[in-house]
Amino acid sequence: NAGVTQTPKFRVLKTGQSMTLLCAQDMNHEYMYWYRQDPGMGLRLIHYSVGEGTTAKGEVPDGYNVSRLKKQNFLLGLESAAPSQTSVYFCASSYSAVLGGSNQPQHFGDGTRLSIL
Amino acid sequence: GQNIDQPTEMTATEGAIVQINCTYQTSGFNGLFWYQQHAGEAPTFLSYNVLDGLEEKGRFSSFLSRSKGYSYLLLKELQMKDSASYLCAPLNGAGSYQLTFGKGTKLSVIP
Repeated sequence: NAGVTQTPKFRVLKTGQSMTLLCAQDMNHEYMYWYRQDPGMGLRLIHYSVGEGTTAKGEVPDGYNVSRLKKQNFLLGLESAAPSQTSVYFCASSYSAVLGGSNQPQHFGDGTRLSIL
Repeated sequence: GQNIDQPTEMTATEGAIVQINCTYQTSGFNGLFWYQQHAGEAPTFLSYNVLDGLEEKGRFSSFLSRSKGYSYLLLKELQMKDSASYLCAPLNGAGSYQLTFGKGTKLSVIP
């Protein structure tokens, strides 16, 4: 089972360049999330989506854009990369917030390690 | 907003028991998750508590006290492979169902 797949796994960018990180899930999950993880900061939510065609801002959305055109894919875009965006980016998905009265855990991809010079 | 506090690092001996505490302040609390994250890997789900009390799952147990804003993760019969970071994550159920993660507790298991 593939689960949550992130591409690319590693990338080095120059300041000002743009790129898109792709997240794909094959579990038919409604909810998808993008986090960044920095040393000493923990996981912080960038943007999330509660269904196809919807997106919402998380804790640290500035400098990022997202799109959820298909249920299985959630794209994270950096329009003009900055050194402060050097981080490990994790995508996650969950079936829904609540199923049968029980909150659903999030399943994470393996991460994308992004360095911006 | 949410404020989550857990120890930064802990060390324990193989075969022993260790308790990792987490205190939180959150609005619209709707349960708490614990995740395990090995270095360089993705977080993986360990446990979920929404009612007060202890949930046991093999060597791992998780406890919740909603009135005290307190949870702990208990690891028994520690193994070397348990060396990892453990993330406490309360769920904000006030409409958005967002998880907020603590900074994690790095557990080192020594022989």
